[in-house]
Amino acid sequence: QQQVKQSPQSLIVQKGGISIINCAYENTAFDYFPWYQQFPGKGPALLIAIRPDVSEKKEGRFTISFNKSAKQFSLHIMDSQPGDSATYFCAASPNNNNDMRFGAGTRLTVKP
Amino acid sequence: NAGVTQTPKFQVLKTGQSMTLQCAQDMNHNSMYWYRQDPGMGLRLIYYSASEGTTDKGEVPNGYNVSRLNKREFSLRLESAAPSQTSVYFCASSEATDGYEQYFGPGTRLTVT
Repeated sequence: QQQVKQSPQSLIVQKGGISIINCAYENTAFDYFPWYQQFPGKGPALLIAIRPDVSEKKEGRFTISFNKSAKQFSLHIMDSQPGDSATYFCAASPNNNNDMRFGAGTRLTVKP
Repeated sequence: NAGVTQTPKFQVLKTGQSMTLQCAQDMNHNSMYWYRQDPGMGLRLIYYSASEGTTDKGEVPNGYNVSRLNKREFSLRLESAAPSQTSVYFCASSEATDGYEQYFGPGTRLTVT
């Protein structure tokens, strides 16, 4: 079974709106939680990542919120733009990052 | 700096045929990975190599073999392809001193008929 559960599968947001994607995990050995962005025909690229010693990390319009006790983390995209339309994957791995487990992905569409 | 390169970009195989997917990185990374991506499944780790000379199984290793030829190159071999191996395959590399970020190649789309 998937060790990282991601929702929703797809998301449509108006330009300027907030996009929120959620992930949950079970393995307490995970301590690195990245989000990847993938455009059609391309490989995934790291967007932002967090470690469990902080509850939030912000980079520009992208914010990760992390809830260690609930074993959940989420990606918030503020002021969503059509150029943000892509598939987003959450992931989690133990400290050496050699066994990364990915969520199933969320296809985000931002309408102009 | 090409980053991570993969060949071929596309391949069609018949059931039972064999092939090797090639991956190379020019970032002097120690760790390299092979993933497969299927609709609704995200990316699943097939094998990884933490350093030159070592390889380890990931989540879905059955039906695959790997070779870490040198620090730059990590190949994935399908000995007897099956339709269930139809997928998009991604190679990635990372380095501890780079915050463990994994850099992905452009992928190989493989169809097994």
